[in-house]
Amino acid sequence: KQEVTQIPAALSVPEGENLVLNCSFTDSAIYNLQWFRQDPGKGLTSLLLIQSSQREQTSGRLNASLDKSSGRSTLYIAASQPGDSATYLCAGNSGGSNYKLTFGKGTLLTVNP
Amino acid sequence: DAGVIQSPRHEVTEMGQEVTLRCKPISGHDYLFWYRQTMMRGLELLIYFNNNVPIDDSGMPEDRFSAKMPNASFSTLKIQPSEPRDSAVYFCASSRPGGGNEQFFGPGTRLTVL
Repeated sequence: KQEVTQIPAALSVPEGENLVLNCSFTDSAIYNLQWFRQDPGKGLTSLLLIQSSQREQTSGRLNASLDKSSGRSTLYIAASQPGDSATYLCAGNSGGSNYKLTFGKGTLLTVNP
Repeated sequence: DAGVIQSPRHEVTEMGQEVTLRCKPISGHDYLFWYRQTMMRGLELLIYFNNNVPIDDSGMPEDRFSAKMPNASFSTLKIQPSEPRDSAVYFCASSRPGGGNEQFFGPGTRLTVL
C-alpha cells in the first residue's frame, strides 16, 4: 500500500526566502504526481502536475521535481510571499492504478511579512 | 468555465439521519472522485467513476456509504444512517481524458453529525 510522507509538517519563514517542501513515497513506481495548495476551510487548488514521462514542472515561482528512483519529490518556492501561506499537499498514484491518488498529510507553510 | 460544484457546503445532522452530498464535475471531465478529509487520517479516496461507471469503491468505509453517478454531470454520495464518526469534509474532484489525471477539486461539504 502506497504511503506518502511530507516533511516538514510545518514551516515558518520570513517573506522573501526561498524554500523547499519534501514528499516521499513508499512505492517509487509513480505514474504521475500532483502538488496542491489548500487554504483554511477551502478546497484543494492544483499547482503542478508531473506526468509519467516528466521529471519536473515549473509555474511562476514554483518548481516541482520528481526522482522516481528514490520515490521523492520536492516543491521549490522562490521569493516567498505572505500570500503563499497555506497547506501544501503532494499526491501520487498508488496500487497499480493511474487514477487512485494517495495524499500526504501536508506541510503547513506560514510566510511572515 | 465553472469548476467542480458541490452542495451543500455545510451540513449538520443528527445521528441516524440520511445525508446526501451532491457534486457536478467540470464539463467534459470523464473521471469523478469522492474523497474524505479528517484531521486524523488526512485525505482518503472513497470511490471513483469513469464515464459514470464506478471503477473502484474499495475506500468506501462501510455499507452505510453509497455513491451514484446517473449521468456525466451529476453524482451523489449518500450516508445512511449517519454516525458522529462520519463528521469530516467531503470533496469531489474530476479529471479530463488525456489530462494526465490532473484532478480538480470542489470546495467541499463540511458534514457534522451530532
